[in-house]
Formats: sequence, structure tokens, C-alpha cells
Amino acid sequence: GAVVSQHPSWVICKSGTSVKIECRSLDFQATTMFWYRQFPKQSLMLMATSNEGSKATYEQGVEKDKFLINHASLTLSTLTVTSAHPEDSSFYICSARDWGLHSNTGELFFGEGSRLTVL
Amino acid sequence: AQSVSQHNHHVILSEAASLELGCNYSYGGTVNLFWYVQYPGQHLQLLLKYFSGDPLVKGIKGFEAEFIKSKFSFNLRKPSVQWSDTAEYFCAVIPGFFKAAGNKLTFGGGTRVLVKP
Repeated sequence: GAVVSQHPSWVICKSGTSVKIECRSLDFQATTMFWYRQFPKQSLMLMATSNEGSKATYEQGVEKDKFLINHASLTLSTLTVTSAHPEDSSFYICSARDWGLHSNTGELFFGEGSRLTVL
Repeated sequence: AQSVSQHNHHVILSEAASLELGCNYSYGGTVNLFWYVQYPGQHLQLLLKYFSGDPLVKGIKGFEAEFIKSKFSFNLRKPSVQWSDTAEYFCAVIPGFFKAAGNKLTFGGGTRVLVKP
């Protein structure tokens, strides 16, 4: 099936620093990607919708200045956690919709996730 | 706002037992329904999906789900589980017409299933 890849899969950083997570659709183009956050033992919560060539759409309660999203190409979206704090520690997952190569119904494919730990 | 509820947070059962996981949603209009599975240390994978047609949907690995519109439910079933079915299962919903690119999945809280060998 389609492959969505995230990098890094695991990152530890100091409080106050910024961390960038990449999400790539490896063999299809994705005009829309979605960023989710998963707290331990909880479900995935949508953070924002990343739109190629335009601003991301953030869900209520998500700080857009804290979680910067850039969708610069049809295969890459990045999430930057700025001035990270321990409460930002979480599992971040991206997904992308494939409208043609692997699914004619726009199925969502998920990345492996990126675990962020802020010390 | 729409919501998705999964009734059980944890399920423990023995191999060969039957499994049924409940999922209810609150949206009243047309919906698209999904079950995803997350095996330990792995990313989310689609088990099955319902868009329209036969309300009994067959998925991968012997799973099936039944859409009951009157009950706003989409329960997942497997007649005989294996140890390898140990995972976390998520029900998810997209309201309306799926091909609207802005639509986004709303996930249930997840159910952790442990199958004892």
C-alpha cells in the first residue's frame, strides 16, 4: 500500500528548543495532510490540516504559533514544535490521502509516528 | 460537535474466543466509518471501511463490522481471535461526502485488546 513516512521517529530535546518533524508521502502526491497528536493511553486528536501551497487549518485549542506547519510540496509537510516544553511531549502522527495511486476513494494512510520527549 | 464512543477501554480474552468491539457515533447525517488497528510499536493500519451499500463489511485478517444506522453503531467483530490480534483498535468517522478534501477523521478513544495464548 501507500507509504507515508515520518522523520524522526524518536526525538529528545531540551525545554525551550524547537523540533521539526517531517511527513512525506513516498509514492503519491498529497495536497492535504493531517497532523494528529496521541497522548499515552488516549486516542488520536486532530491538530491541524496541512494544505499544500496555503496556510494550515488548526483545530480549536491548538496554538498555531506553537505548532508551525508548512506544506511546501505535494509530498512533504513539516510540523515544527517551537519553544518546546515538557507538556509538549507526545506521539505525533501524520496522515495523507491518496486519491489515485493506491486508492480511488481517498484513503488515509498514516505515518509511523514521531515520539517527542522534552526534558 | 460529533463524537465517537468506544465502549470498552480494555478487553482481555483467550485465543479462539470471539471478539466484538462497540462503536457509536453522534453525527446524524451521512457518515463514512472506519476501523483502524495499531499493533504494538507499529503505525495505524486500516482494517475495514464503510462508505455505502451492504452494511456488513468484510475487512482484513478475518475482521468484519456491521453498520446499523438506526443505532448509530459500527461494531467490529472477529469470530475467533489469535494472539497476534493483540493491539489497539480505533473506530473513526468522517461525516458527509468522503471526497470533500477538507473532511477529517474523528477517532474514538480506542480499545486495547489483549489476547492470551
